[in-house]
Order: sequence, then structure tokens, then C-alpha cells
Amino acid sequence: SQQGEEDPQALSIQEGENATMNCSYKTSINNLQWYRQNSGRGLVHLILIRSNEREKHSGRLRVTLDTSKKSSSLLITASRAADTASYFCATSSGGSNYKLTFGKGTLLTVNP
Amino acid sequence: DAGVTQSPTHLIKTRGQQVTLRCSPISGHKSVSWYQQVLGQGPQFIFQYYEKEERGRGNFPDRFSARQFPNYSSELNVNALLLGDSALYLCASSLAGRGLREQYFGPGTRLTVT
Repeated sequence: SQQGEEDPQALSIQEGENATMNCSYKTSINNLQWYRQNSGRGLVHLILIRSNEREKHSGRLRVTLDTSKKSSSLLITASRAADTASYFCATSSGGSNYKLTFGKGTLLTVNP
Repeated sequence: DAGVTQSPTHLIKTRGQQVTLRCSPISGHKSVSWYQQVLGQGPQFIFQYYEKEERGRGNFPDRFSARQFPNYSSELNVNALLLGDSALYLCASSLAGRGLREQYFGPGTRLTVT
């Protein structure tokens, strides 16, 4: 079953704009990770945020986590055409840090 | 450094047949996990192996099995294939079986069952 639900399902923006994607989950988590997937191929790990962290940055990426609302957001600043991909949030919970539970993803299209 | 590799890239099988998918983890990684991704959905956890032992299993029927070899590579076997088994099968490796570790995914094997 899906733990996370990304919102929106699809997002289309112009190059240079910022893109924000949201993820909601149902149960308490150990950590939350964001992945990118290009054209139905392998997943690329973007960033991991622990349950006791509220915000994390990596280059043009900013992730926030609100455990009280069971939600996270991924912000990509100054987007590029190469950022076009599907973005997934994935959570691990309980004693199962090895098992990732993914949402359905957000398809981001960055138009040049 | 080589990333996670998977073979074959694409595979077409007929209903009722059996299939074996292969995965080689990043050098030094002892944990391998398998995920199934149906078109339009996020990946679903199938198995995790660490030090050649099964450490976790997802909600998949017994037709799905896997093993890990002494060199930490892994095989996923699916018997009595159904049309619904058509999916992208992803392998991921990580340094440890537990704890907060990034998982590195391979490019996947796309299985089509006709």
C-alpha cells in the first residue's frame, strides 16, 4: 500500500521558476527521502530528512518536514529543463529502515 | 565507480512462464532490496537481503522469491507469470541492513508479460 501521497500529480512550469511538490503520509516515520526518476528508469536519491529535522538544503533543493501534519515539501529553485522528471517521496518507519514506502509521485515538466 | 547494475534491461515473457532477474550492488554494499513499479505508480517493496539472509518481505505472493550470493549480488525469481506482473523491477543497494542509509537504485528491468 502507498504511504505517501504527492501533490500535485503533475506540475508544468517555465525554466527559472521554482517548483514545489508536497507529500503527505499516514503513519509515524523514521525518515523521509525524496527521489527523482527520469523516463521510467532508475531512481536517483535527492535528499534524506530525519524525523527530528524540520528543514534541509542541498544545492537548489530545499526539503521541509512537518511531523505534526505528517507532510513534507520539496522545493526546487531556479528550475532547469533537465529537472523534468517524476519526483517521489519515500518513508521508512518502525524497525524497518531498509523498507521504503513510496508515494505515486509528481510529474514535473520544466519548459525551456 | 560502477553503480548498481541490473540485467536484462528488457524482457518479454508469456503467462505461466518463469523469469529470473539479476542485480549487482555497488562494491562494498551488502544490502540489496527489490521493488516492483507498475506504470503510473510508485515502487512497491518486495524483498530485502542482507548478508545473504532475507531480512524483509513485502506483500507479494509466494511466486516471488529471491536470493543473495556470497558476492552480494542477487536474483529475483518470479514463477507462473501473470499479466499483472508486467512492471519495472528495481534493485537497490545500501551499505547496511539497518539504520539510516541511502539506497542506490539500478536502472531497472522492464518485464512485459503477454
